[in-house]
Amino acid sequence: KNQVEQSPQSLIILEGKNCTLQCNYTVSPFSNLRWYKQDTGRGPVSLTIMTFSENTKSNGRYTATLDADTKQSSLHITASQLSDSASYICVVSALGNTPLVFGKGTRLSVIA
Amino acid sequence: DTAVSQTPKYLVTQMGNDKSIKCEQNLGHDTMYWYKQDSKKFLKIMFSYNNKELIINETVPNRFSPKSPDKAHLNLHINSLELGDSAVYFCASSQGSGRGTDTQYFGPGTRLTVL
Repeated sequence: KNQVEQSPQSLIILEGKNCTLQCNYTVSPFSNLRWYKQDTGRGPVSLTIMTFSENTKSNGRYTATLDADTKQSSLHITASQLSDSASYICVVSALGNTPLVFGKGTRLSVIA
Repeated sequence: DTAVSQTPKYLVTQMGNDKSIKCEQNLGHDTMYWYKQDSKKFLKIMFSYNNKELIINETVPNRFSPKSPDKAHLNLHINSLELGDSAVYFCASSQGSGRGTDTQYFGPGTRLTVL
């Protein structure tokens, strides 16, 4: 069964610190992996999309990594800001006409 | 100049009623989607349309009927609303067929509460 598991469920960090969020998946055959940021009360916003051949991709202070062999991805946030407080959702797509598989997200709170 | 817009933002209604949620995108995208996000914040796709044709229909009760009058609109009609339909419904759109690495752009969501 295609699944996406994220950890931790929630995380609290001090402003200015770095953090790493994890995503493990069993989706097969793999097509691509996405990270979304969802602010409270808003729709998700795409941060990165990676295909099988890519193992790292950055978007400003966000850096995603992908290990397609171990079926793991991480999202690293550098020098966190209060505005980084949000849910971060890992989404994996399989080849073919199948829907995206969403993780339950990691709720990140950045405090001053 | 909102990219993906939904109306209404909030919808409170009684069990058994019929309601519609509207979605419009001005990005010129070919594919549109409806997602449901439950109280545990878990996003699940319900439908996807490409050029007004249904591509994905994910085990959604037939009380839910999407309607796409044109490429820029995908409305969601729900008959005989039930308590379990309470959730936030997101519309999204993407360029192309939606099967590759196309970025999906989400609307702001519609919070449906069934009493």
